[in-house]
Amino acid sequence: ETGVTQSPTHLIKTRGQQVTLRCSSQSGHNTVSWYQQALGQGPQFIFQYYREEENGRGNFPPRFSGLQFPNYSSELNVNALELDDSALYLCASSLGTGLSYEQYFGPGTRLTVT
Amino acid sequence: SQQGEEDPQALSIQEGENATMNCSYKTSINNLQWYRQNSGRGLVHLILIRSNEREKHSGRLRVTLDTSKKSSSLLITASRAADTASYFCATDATDDYKLSFGAGTTVTVRA
Repeated sequence: ETGVTQSPTHLIKTRGQQVTLRCSSQSGHNTVSWYQQALGQGPQFIFQYYREEENGRGNFPPRFSGLQFPNYSSELNVNALELDDSALYLCASSLGTGLSYEQYFGPGTRLTVT
Repeated sequence: SQQGEEDPQALSIQEGENATMNCSYKTSINNLQWYRQNSGRGLVHLILIRSNEREKHSGRLRVTLDTSKKSSSLLITASRAADTASYFCATDATDDYKLSFGAGTTVTVRA
């Protein structure tokens, strides 16, 4: 088990609603990345936050947004939910932004959009 | 789109046997990493191999990297029931800033 925690564990939302997912990073880690993992697929990079600024973004629309707080915890917000947003959302923290740093993943939040 | 592709998609072996899975990728990379995921939970980092390395070991794991063929393999020796999981390779391309995962290989170890 890593020191990365995510909340909630499971969530059911209706199409068109908004959702906020939360992540607490491992102690000492200043970088948080968010991933979306659809059933049977590998994780897809959403974005990364470093020192409270977005530091890179994958191929996701602007209705996916995030925040990082001074204690390095992070939020992922998704507006106007669509059925295809149903997935496992994973956050990962690391010691830095470089991709040679090991990513420590949380257990994920399972989002179901009906 | 996913940079890495694992092969096979699924693998079933007897406890004590070795498991080998492969990863192919499309563009030049800095590093390649392997992760394990149990039952749709968080991923656990297994091993990182740099583009200038050819082989790396960690316990019962052996990873090889062939940059000329743009491929990597993960060997798990003397498998155990606890090795039952999905295994993903992840690459960071030299012209990109994100980690790209493949679709994974699901390994089932039968007791």
